[in-house]
Amino acid sequence: DAGVIQSPRHEVTEMGQEVTLRCKPISGHDYLFWYRQTMMRGLELLIYFNNNVPIDDSGMPEDRFSAKMPNASFSTLKIQPSEPRDSAVYFCASSGRRPLNYGYTFGSGTRLTVV
Amino acid sequence: KQEVTQIPAALSVPEGENLVLNCSFTDSAIYNLQWFRQDPGKGLTSLLLIQSSQREQTSGRLNASLDKSSGRSTLYIAASQPGDSATYLCAVNAGGTSYGKLTFGQGTILTVHP
Repeated sequence: DAGVIQSPRHEVTEMGQEVTLRCKPISGHDYLFWYRQTMMRGLELLIYFNNNVPIDDSGMPEDRFSAKMPNASFSTLKIQPSEPRDSAVYFCASSGRRPLNYGYTFGSGTRLTVV
Repeated sequence: KQEVTQIPAALSVPEGENLVLNCSFTDSAIYNLQWFRQDPGKGLTSLLLIQSSQREQTSGRLNASLDKSSGRSTLYIAASQPGDSATYLCAVNAGGTSYGKLTFGQGTILTVHP
């Protein structure tokens, strides 16, 4: 398996533009997570899905952020409009079905810079 | 609210030393605990996963222990090498209705010098 695949690896955009981050989880994993990492706040869970259904989006900072999972092999995180404070590394992770209880597998992340 | 603390925040050791990284959590009702490694500019690599019913897990030179009742986990690295230099993160999975929601510590930055 190629692991969790995220794209793009780097994104530089201007304030006010729409940004879409993409994630392909590991095949067979039924949990998908979006995290954000900054120096100040560390790793923060934004939202997670189980069987393509959003379970907890309490970490989504505000209405400018939205996430979708239209099928088991694809998810997007969209920021519209983007702001400089959204600059961070965004990670996607997936996990297998319990009770097999696989741990998390993280993607390589998307480094977002909003100027 | 679960809080995870890692001590020390940074550690610098000479090659060959055995070392211990500490992780503590405030709510002992956990489902599992996972240790990760993060290299600069990279993603997180899973090292060890300990279920709440287990006391320890081993992988090569790494050994992780879990004492759920006291809210502590340790990661033991034997015979450290420069290639072990990275940030080590522990994360707790709450389970129950919050299954999947990992709470991370801030990490320990490890430097192993030749």
